[in-house]
Amino acid sequence: SAVISQKPSRDICQRGTSLTIQCQVDSQVTMMFWYRQQPGQSLTLIATANQGSEATYESGFVIDKFPISRPNLTFSTLTVSNMSPEDSSIYLCSVEGSGQEKLFFGSGTQLSVL
Amino acid sequence: GQNIDQPTEMTATEGAIVQINCTYQTSGFNGLFWYQQHAGEAPTFLSYNVLDGLEEKGRFSSFLSRSKGYSYLLLKELQMKDSASYLCAVFTGSYQLTFGKGTKLSVIP
Repeated sequence: SAVISQKPSRDICQRGTSLTIQCQVDSQVTMMFWYRQQPGQSLTLIATANQGSEATYESGFVIDKFPISRPNLTFSTLTVSNMSPEDSSIYLCSVEGSGQEKLFFGSGTQLSVL
Repeated sequence: GQNIDQPTEMTATEGAIVQINCTYQTSGFNGLFWYQQHAGEAPTFLSYNVLDGLEEKGRFSSFLSRSKGYSYLLLKELQMKDSASYLCAVFTGSYQLTFGKGTKLSVIP
């Protein structure tokens, strides 16, 4: 199994600012994923980040709002830009697994926007 | 479109058995997952079903009927530490997982 370190674990931010979330994996992985879990809602895939190419965004998510970096096979960042209270959520990094366990999740970032 | 339904909340007594149901309508199906998520923590893998039938793993079992678009997670001998949200997720291919909203289970003494 992969060990995923995600930081910050939580943050409280002001409206209009940006926050960058970091995700570090202890092994090389091809695919990394960023999910959002809004209060009372399901986990929703924001984008898939592959090393050496542009991230692939899901419907409803755009690069200007959620720019992603993937500089190597063990690291990725997600930035939440120009934040509003509606961005208050848990953001989760995940990586591909093997066998039955298709995804491993990081510990998440609890974001509150005032 | 993708639609996954599961009850919002359930309460059960310590030592009892509880069944959490999940129904799904998705455009693709390559298996169904159950995850456990304690408050403030990441989801952790519980089970994976791709064929019809029951998969048993200790106190936890998961059942799948593909023809009915239905799954359940069965938790036996409930413990207080089982209080958590349980997420049903359908694997639609290429590591695409579509999640339900989760069922918050409260185990009471």
